[in-house]
Amino acid sequence: QQPVQSPQAVILREGEDAVINCSSSKALYSVHWYRQKHGEAPVFLMILLKGGEQKGHEKISASFNEKKQQSSLYLTASQLSYSGTYFCGTNTNAGKSTFGDGTTLTVKP
Amino acid sequence: SAVISQKPSRDICQRGTSLTIQCQVDSQVTMMFWYRQQPGQSLTLIATANQGSEATYESGFVIDKFPISRPNLTFSTLTVSNMSPEDSSIYLCSAGADYGYTFGSGTRLTVV
Repeated sequence: QQPVQSPQAVILREGEDAVINCSSSKALYSVHWYRQKHGEAPVFLMILLKGGEQKGHEKISASFNEKKQQSSLYLTASQLSYSGTYFCGTNTNAGKSTFGDGTTLTVKP
Repeated sequence: SAVISQKPSRDICQRGTSLTIQCQVDSQVTMMFWYRQQPGQSLTLIATANQGSEATYESGFVIDKFPISRPNLTFSTLTVSNMSPEDSSIYLCSAGADYGYTFGSGTRLTVV
């Protein structure tokens, strides 16, 4: 079953923070996050495994709450380059992934 | 993580014909995945391709329409057969595991 992402869209000014959420009704093995710009393929940001800790990547970090089957992506001090559509992918085992509908992030000067 | 070369990047095809999309990975990977993505929408898994066994297809996708080959641990192809305008979409391959997943650059297919 497809994970649910929220919000669907968010508009920020440069330097502002954002949080994107991803929740599943199934017990998850892993959650992974991607950013996709228009006309390009999704770019892998990070993966969080069951039993793992919060991860960070420059000013982008994510957490995984196994009890709630939820993950959140944190974008700090956003830059124009952060604009794009963010997808979460979820795995119930070490195999195929199911993707959310995406969150469109627009960062304005 | 792995780097994937996918080709062709785009093609315009006549209805009723077939197109084969190729993905080459720069390292050996156990599983490769094929997705379809309509512009502005999410990724839909077509099938999982394991080396040495038949691909596993998701509901709504069949082998006769989307035959997949996985001859070794670094290469896979997806064929879109007997195409119709409804097959117009972006097709992406992906590979990875617990360290993360990488996508090919995608094939933008238009069927006329």
